[in-house]
Amino acid sequence: NAGVTQTPKFQVLKTGQSMTLQCAQDMNHNSMYWYRQDPGMGLRLIYYSASEGTTDKGEVPNGYNVSRLNKREFSLRLESAAPSQTSVYFCASSDQGYYEQYFGPGTRLTVT
Amino acid sequence: EDKVVQSPLSLVVHEGDTVTLNCSYEVTNFRSLLWYKQEKKAPTFLFMLTSSGIEKKSGRLSSILDKKELFSILNITATQTGDSAIYLCAVEPPRGNKLVFGAGTILRVKS
Repeated sequence: NAGVTQTPKFQVLKTGQSMTLQCAQDMNHNSMYWYRQDPGMGLRLIYYSASEGTTDKGEVPNGYNVSRLNKREFSLRLESAAPSQTSVYFCASSDQGYYEQYFGPGTRLTVT
Repeated sequence: EDKVVQSPLSLVVHEGDTVTLNCSYEVTNFRSLLWYKQEKKAPTFLFMLTSSGIEKKSGRLSSILDKKELFSILNITATQTGDSAIYLCAVEPPRGNKLVFGAGTILRVKS
């Protein structure tokens, strides 16, 4: 089992460019999450999907969109990247009703 | 607004020391409190606590929850350099299906 995988590992964008971060899990989990991590601020929830077909906003959703493509995959899109979106992005998954979340290795994104 | 506060923000100790990390929260009727360890990359799960006063233990690490006073502590005894990491506390609010994380405590263990 690969667990939670994320692509790409690193990305540099110019302001205004768009990109999609991909996440997949092979644990048959119902719930998936996107977080960003900035120094001194812990993990902040961007969007989550409690089950296939549903998505909800988290703490910091502005400037992002998500798609729960199927049970395995949950993507995060930046339509028009801004320097404030420079961060490390983590995807996670969990069983519904069981709250331990499993994290992917992260994507380090720099917007210049 | 749900809030989780961890202290200290960072800590430097010597190998063999015992450390106590604190997590306080302003989340009423939460479902669970979780501790994670983050080394270079992704956070990895340590403990989940749901009941007050019951200690969870794994080797040199232990954690306890006080639901009345709204805090949890994570103890690490006989620290080793491999314990150097960011320790994250997270709380699941009553509406469920998500976690609210604290900013983390950066622990550095010197040899």
